[in-house]
Amino acid sequence: AQSVTQLGSHVSVSEGALVLLRCNYSSSVPPYLFWYVQYPNQGLQLLLKYTSAATLVKGINGFEAEFKKSETSFHLTKPSAHMSDAAEYFCAVSYNSGGYQKVTFGTGTKLQVIP
Amino acid sequence: SQTIHQWPATLVQPVGSPLSLECTVEGTSNPNLYWYRQAAGRGLQLLFYSVGIGQISSEVPQNLSASRPQDRQFILSSKKLLLSDSGFYLCAWRARGTVTPLHFGNGTRLTVT
Repeated sequence: AQSVTQLGSHVSVSEGALVLLRCNYSSSVPPYLFWYVQYPNQGLQLLLKYTSAATLVKGINGFEAEFKKSETSFHLTKPSAHMSDAAEYFCAVSYNSGGYQKVTFGTGTKLQVIP
Repeated sequence: SQTIHQWPATLVQPVGSPLSLECTVEGTSNPNLYWYRQAAGRGLQLLFYSVGIGQISSEVPQNLSASRPQDRQFILSSKKLLLSDSGFYLCAWRARGTVTPLHFGNGTRLTVT
């Protein structure tokens, strides 16, 4: 089975500072990777997805992620944090298992933005 | 456009009572449907998924069951709730194809007392 590991369950940044949320994947085949954001008491919303078309993927709200095969990483970044970015972020990998499409999520990283 | 509806938003139920959570999808046909449970600090746990009417796959043994009586309807049930069933339940759908993302409902916060 494929999996993702998110380093750091909590990350704090100052408003205007760089946001870096880490995700490493484990996959024996080219992975399909996603980043989702979750605000309190809401469902998850897709930020961006990697499907092998381009290694640098741009998403909504100014976020982007770079796929690095040599490092098996798919870290999420944003140049300047806003207060509204405070949320929980999940990395996920999609793969085919036994003819079914499955998605495995990381354990999440809570982002705190300090004014 | 496609939308997903999940209800109720919050639910408080006593131990031993039954449960029924419903999820419906609009604007698409033949979606894959999923139930996830989210516990604090533990990420998302896949409970059930369905690739068609009446086709349910369970990921983990538990006190819950799922049914798909119609193409765009997915129901999560329990005959007798346990305290450990408390959590945030999320329904999701995705179109066919490996690279399609999941689309989530707004979730149900279940508290078993």
